Amino acid sequence: QSVLTQPPSASGTPGQRVTISCSGSSSNIGSKTVSWYQQLPGKAPKLLIYSNNQRPSGVPDRFSGSKSGTSASLAISGLQSEDEAAYYCAAWDDSMNGWVFGGGTKVTVL
Amino acid sequence: QVQLQESGPGLVKPSETLSLTCAVSGYSISSGYYWGWFRQPPGKGLDWIGSMYHSGITYYTPSLNSRVTVSVDTSKNQFSLKLNSVTAADTAMYYCARHSYSGTFDIWGQGTMVTVSS
Repeated sequence: QSVLTQPPSASGTPGQRVTISCSGSSSNIGSKTVSWYQQLPGKAPKLLIYSNNQRPSGVPDRFSGSKSGTSASLAISGLQSEDEAAYYCAAWDDSMNGWVFGGGTKVTVL
Repeated sequence: QVQLQESGPGLVKPSETLSLTCAVSGYSISSGYYWGWFRQPPGKGLDWIGSMYHSGITYYTPSLNSRVTVSVDTSKNQFSLKLNSVTAADTAMYYCARHSYSGTFDIWGQGTMVTVSS
């Protein structure tokens, strides 16, 4: 059971917009910044979004992040086949006194 | 560019100590940032194990705190993970990563699979 809650799966057709939620509490998302990671099959995680909504250089602007209260979201617009991967949210948790991740959401491009 | 590379035994016996090293290239560990270890059991999500500030200060996930040590060798520009008294539950892909104080894990190693089995 992950401290941050994500839906296990999401899907869309090419070109569609897909949104992934990450639900937490006041001890993590509610008071700390959120980052998002993309993990392609068999690969290491890759930073996608940091500080709730900032994209590192090289990450397409199709990916965007937002945060409201104790929840965060990752949106993928103009879905492409290469976006098929697992996506994880992460934040510091004051109660756990450590970094916590969501359980991951597997995105399938139909 | 900055690169991280994990290395260590792929098979560890139960009750023994798991030891991994993360070699850093393209950046000096002594210059800053935090350096962390993570793991991912087969088919499951990511878990943070522990991190070390470039000064040597360490902090660990509470559930593993009694079994884990992260240390640095600045002369070799690498940092290490030791996890003792391992069981089958410690079987996982282990990753090292660089991160900021706010938890931006920006550079990851490719990972190394460790299986705990007799």
